[in-house]
Amino acid sequence: SQQGEEDPQALSIQEGENATMNCSYKTSINNLQWYRQNSGRGLVHLILIRSNEREKHSGRLRVTLDTSKKSSSLLITASRAADTASYFCATDTGNQFYFGTGTSLTVIP
Amino acid sequence: DAGITQSPRYKITETGRQVTLMCHQTWSHSYMFWYRQDLGHGLRLIYYSAAADITDKGEVPDGYVVSRSKTENFPLTLESATRSQTSVYFCASSESPWDEQFFGPGTRLTVL
Repeated sequence: SQQGEEDPQALSIQEGENATMNCSYKTSINNLQWYRQNSGRGLVHLILIRSNEREKHSGRLRVTLDTSKKSSSLLITASRAADTASYFCATDTGNQFYFGTGTSLTVIP
Repeated sequence: DAGITQSPRYKITETGRQVTLMCHQTWSHSYMFWYRQDLGHGLRLIYYSAAADITDKGEVPDGYVVSRSKTENFPLTLESATRSQTSVYFCASSESPWDEQFFGPGTRLTVL
């Protein structure tokens, strides 16, 4: 069974709008990370949030973590066409690493 | 060049053949990982290694073998390839299990 699942599976927005994607997981974690994957490429790390943190910012990215609900959200503000990619959450449970199925984001210029 | 490389980038093989995918990193990261990516499943961890000569199973290890005799290399072997192992394979490395992982470009494997 999948440890992490992103929602929505696909998202299409206009350039300049904000994009929000969510990740839910099933078991306790040490940290949660978000990665981006451009088509046909390897994944690139975006941001890491530890289990004792609730919110973290990095440039146009804002990540929240709610361990009581076992969920996280990634907000991309003022989106750009270059943000078009798939976004994955990844959880570290201590002895296993799980990636979600991803959210495919399309930013329309 | 510093980084993480995978070879080959593309491979076509037949059912029953042995295939080895190579992964090499130049950062001397302790941790290395192998994932497979399939539509509808995202990335799934096959094996990981915390250091040379230390490997552990991930979520989907069956049909795969790994070794790590040197810190910088982490080959993945399919001892007898099956069609269900057709996938894109990614290698990654990190300094520690809670740090960001750096991914290679991937190997697209097709088993006929």
